[in-house]
Amino acid sequence: EAQVTQNPRYLITVTGKKLTVTCSQNMNHEYMSWYRQDPGLGLRQIYYSMNVEVTDKGDVPEGYKVSRKEKRNFPLILESPSPNQTSLYFCASSRGLAGLGGELFFGEGSRLTVL
Amino acid sequence: DAKTTQPPSMDCAEGRAANLPCNHSTISGNEYVYWYRQIHSQGPQYIIHGLKNNETNEMASLIITEDRKSSTLILPHATLRDTAVYYCIVTPRAGSYQLTFGKGTKLSVIP
Repeated sequence: EAQVTQNPRYLITVTGKKLTVTCSQNMNHEYMSWYRQDPGLGLRQIYYSMNVEVTDKGDVPEGYKVSRKEKRNFPLILESPSPNQTSLYFCASSRGLAGLGGELFFGEGSRLTVL
Repeated sequence: DAKTTQPPSMDCAEGRAANLPCNHSTISGNEYVYWYRQIHSQGPQYIIHGLKNNETNEMASLIITEDRKSSTLILPHATLRDTAVYYCIVTPRAGSYQLTFGKGTKLSVIP
């Protein structure tokens, strides 16, 4: 089954404790992206990757890192989490960005709470 | 990149057609319009996309105006399960890979 898998789905952590949210897709997609969703602010893009070893900043990259060492995986790293990073996070992947095959497939989301 | 404008909320009676508008007045010729929806806090789900022509699939229809400055997503017979936030986005121009979603339209289907 084609899917985007995120882990963990739920996490409560404390300020400053490094954490990684993993994202894996089984569709051989080249494009992957991370979004955060906060009440009243919609979906905001954090980072995206067009292919292995190619990443770039989205609208809200501060406090986050990503890596794309393999095509299927795109982990989101919070080196020193802070309470303002408490949010619902979504990973998404796509074969392209426009036209046929350009639709995004989203993971189920990871709800992160930083105390 | 072209931005989109959607009403924050709409209501629709169950069984009636839901027509969700989207303005994208700065869209350029090679940019596609995509629609997604998000039920509760689940991951957004792709619905439909189009470039110039109207499109229809098993979920919805997409009507794009001739000048491409706006579009309408039509759910022909809305059910309670269609209650969701609907996002209209425009794919980025060549050389850009940022996808901005905005806040979408909260559609409430009323029994």
